[in-house]
Amino acid sequence: DGGITQSPKYLFRKEGQNVTLSCEQNLNHDAMYWYRQDPGQGLRLIYYSQIVNDFQKGDIAEGYSVSREKKESFPLTVTSAQKNPTAFYLCASSMRAGQTYEQYFGPGTRLTVT
Amino acid sequence: GQQVMQIPQYQHVQEGEDFTTYCNSSTTLSNIQWYKQRPGGHPVFLIQLVKSGEVKKQKRLTFQFGEAKKNSSLHITATQTTDVGTYFCAGDGNTGKLIFGQGTTLQVKP
Repeated sequence: DGGITQSPKYLFRKEGQNVTLSCEQNLNHDAMYWYRQDPGQGLRLIYYSQIVNDFQKGDIAEGYSVSREKKESFPLTVTSAQKNPTAFYLCASSMRAGQTYEQYFGPGTRLTVT
Repeated sequence: GQQVMQIPQYQHVQEGEDFTTYCNSSTTLSNIQWYKQRPGGHPVFLIQLVKSGEVKKQKRLTFQFGEAKKNSSLHITATQTTDVGTYFCAGDGNTGKLIFGQGTTLQVKP
């Protein structure tokens, strides 16, 4: 059963703590993406990776970090430097980057920081 | 930078009425994609348009890509309660990255 998974679905953290969101795919996709969704603002790109051991900043990368050590995995760390971390985080993958392929989204992680 | 604007932000319709959402880009797009996100869910790919002036249909949904490849629309004929959700357009300006519009949230009253 191919797909993209994110865990956990809900995450609560205290201000000042780093937190890592998991994203795994078994679609054999080269490209993976992290988006942030806030009400009324659509999806904003945080980071993306076209290939293992390589990633690029998106439009709102400040306060976030990623790694891509395996093709299947693209974890996102929300650091204490992110000023407004409470949001819905979506991970996506596509067959390849460079051209526009449809993106497959995971179920998302809703992060609340208080 | 490249921007993709989508209107309206919200639309409430009576079941059976038609619905249209419009997408406009500040730059020419190589292609445009449409996604649907059900309440509490994640975006799901609907379709991709590539050619200037292209029109594609999926049952009651009609997608258009403008002649200048800077705008697009999604029209739903005779809405049903299953059409409820947020519809996003996403454009690629030859960067390999999708730029998403803000989305149009559709509510359908039975």
